[in-house]
Amino acid sequence: KNEVEQSPQNLTAQEGEFITINCSYSVGISALHWLQQHPGGGIVSLFMLSSGKKKHGRLIATINIQEKHSSLHITASHPRDSAVYICAVRATNFGNEKLTFGTGTRLTIIP
Amino acid sequence: EPEVTQTPSHQVTQMGQEVILRCVPISNHLYFYWYRQILGQKVEFLVSFYNNEISEKSEIFDDQFSVERPDGSNFTLKIRSTKLEDSAMYFCASSRIAGFTFFGQGTRLTVV
Repeated sequence: KNEVEQSPQNLTAQEGEFITINCSYSVGISALHWLQQHPGGGIVSLFMLSSGKKKHGRLIATINIQEKHSSLHITASHPRDSAVYICAVRATNFGNEKLTFGTGTRLTIIP
Repeated sequence: EPEVTQTPSHQVTQMGQEVILRCVPISNHLYFYWYRQILGQKVEFLVSFYNNEISEKSEIFDDQFSVERPDGSNFTLKIRSTKLEDSAMYFCASSRIAGFTFFGQGTRLTVV
């Protein structure tokens, strides 16, 4: 079983729709990252969360530590949001800084 | 804005050859990493490097692989005797302790 599971694997939506991508994990974590990967392959860190909620522009990330679940929301989606969104977790043990990645959610926003 | 830079962006090599992938992490970061992503698969951890030594490595990171920080700025991944299955995108990353992880743009390695 994967330590980090994402759903859905693929998501197609119309421009302007509210988008939700989910991430569940099975290990204890010190932080959860949401990342964006564009077709060229580069990875950009969007958020790092250890509790609560963070907002940046039209993007909102939430985490529920007790339920081991996080969501990434995009409001007023736009075709330029089309990318693969990846959830990754950092384990709790001190000195273990590596990230364990989910398989990603491919988002396509249609104009 | 500080960034992690990787060179080259694309490398094609013959099976059995050695390759060196280069990275310049962000200057005040303490942790350095290599990850790889085989086409169509998820990103996998290879190795982390802290205080001038490997702090953790995955099962993938066998004797074929090595990392080095030859000077104060560069961080390299060497793959000896490349195999077809080493074809992947290799990402360098860096972070402070418990901080954001910053990724380079990746080196696409194609072994033919």
